[in-house]
Amino acid sequence: DTEVTQTPKHLVMGMTNKKSLKCEQHMGHRAMYWYKQKAKKPPELMFVYSYEKLSINESVPSRFSPECPNSSLLNLHLHALQPEDSALYLCASSQEGNTYNEQFFGPGTRLTVL
Amino acid sequence: AQKVTQAQTEISVVEKEDVTLDCVYETRDTTYYLFWYKQPPSGELVFLIRRNSFDEQNEISGRYSWNFQKSTSSFNFTITASQVVDSAVYFCALSEGTSGTYKYIFGTGTRLKVLA
Repeated sequence: DTEVTQTPKHLVMGMTNKKSLKCEQHMGHRAMYWYKQKAKKPPELMFVYSYEKLSINESVPSRFSPECPNSSLLNLHLHALQPEDSALYLCASSQEGNTYNEQFFGPGTRLTVL
Repeated sequence: AQKVTQAQTEISVVEKEDVTLDCVYETRDTTYYLFWYKQPPSGELVFLIRRNSFDEQNEISGRYSWNFQKSTSSFNFTITASQVVDSAVYFCALSEGTSGTYKYIFGTGTRLKVLA
């Protein structure tokens, strides 16, 4: 199974809502990533988990809260978002958290904040 | 400073034409890795190839080929006999061996439109 799955596919939320994005992989990968991608731009790294521990936080606002309950699962909890947070949120995984392993991406969650 | 430049914002070709997507990178590291990803309209980035800085051999995979030249800091991607299904945004990315942060530095992407 070489797939990264993400739910939901689409999410519309108000600025006062709390919601969560979910990502799952069953490839035995030990590193998982959250990216944010705005239209016509490359993905921007938000967080990296390596062996279930947060190893990189790219100065992401605290209204985004990542969680890695186990090695296969990655969540992104959203609270009090702003309209400018509307974007495609991509999850990825790689065998190890290092510079040479290729990352496998999920299909993304398209988030709209009203 | 590390940087990846994809100067071609958008390319349109007619089906069966060959097309080359350019990627130029900057890094001070001697150990680094280069990647190409395809992002179709569905949104998922699909891994195409990884190349390390010590291996300058060109690679061919079906209709895809890659030309890595350290002398010009380029890692270009050619699609031979393009098909409509090749329409996507293609990203080139750099990962540096000694930075320890396993971050991809993405180029801005090239949107390829293959017309029937």
